[in-house]
Amino acid sequence: DTEVTQTPKHLVMGMTNKKSLKCEQHMGHRAMYWYKQKAKKPPELMFVYSYEKLSINESVPSRFSPECPNSSLLNLHLHALQPEDSALYLCASSQEWNPNNEQFFGPGTRLTVL
Amino acid sequence: GQNIDQPTEMTATEGAIVQINCTYQTSGFNGLFWYQQHAGEAPTFLSYNVLDGLEEKGRFSSFLSRSKGYSYLLLKELQMKDSASYLCAVRPYSGSQGNLIFGKGTKLSVKP
Repeated sequence: DTEVTQTPKHLVMGMTNKKSLKCEQHMGHRAMYWYKQKAKKPPELMFVYSYEKLSINESVPSRFSPECPNSSLLNLHLHALQPEDSALYLCASSQEWNPNNEQFFGPGTRLTVL
Repeated sequence: GQNIDQPTEMTATEGAIVQINCTYQTSGFNGLFWYQQHAGEAPTFLSYNVLDGLEEKGRFSSFLSRSKGYSYLLLKELQMKDSASYLCAVRPYSGSQGNLIFGKGTKLSVKP
């Protein structure tokens, strides 16, 4: 299995809703990442987990809350989002949190906040 | 600061060869990646260079010169399906070990 999977594919939510994005990989990778990508812009790093521990938080607002329940799963919990948070949310993984490892991306969740 | 530059848009003809350039100024350097991204889809890994020289993978080749802070992605025998954005990404050292800094991407349009 050489894929990173993400669910749901599309999500529409109101500003008062609570929802979660899920990411899964079974490649034995120990580093997992969340990126946010707005239309026609490159991906922006949000969080890095290494060995299930949060290693980097790129000054992301607290309405985004990551969770890594085990080495194969990465969640992003969403609460009280704003319309400007509408974007493609990409999950990626790499073998280690190491400069020489390529990152494999999931297909993304397209989020719309009304 | 970190800065990665690549052309915003390029147009080429089916069957031709196109070269997409990327220059970077980063606090450190530990590898350069090229990704392809079709509209509305996730990036797909194309190539990785950490040493100077040319890496070839089928119709795609990537070149790196660390002394010049320069890379290019070469696409041969262009096909219509190659129309996509091509993202250059660098892994610098400081404060972002293992992480990528992306350029803004080059939108390539392949015409018949």
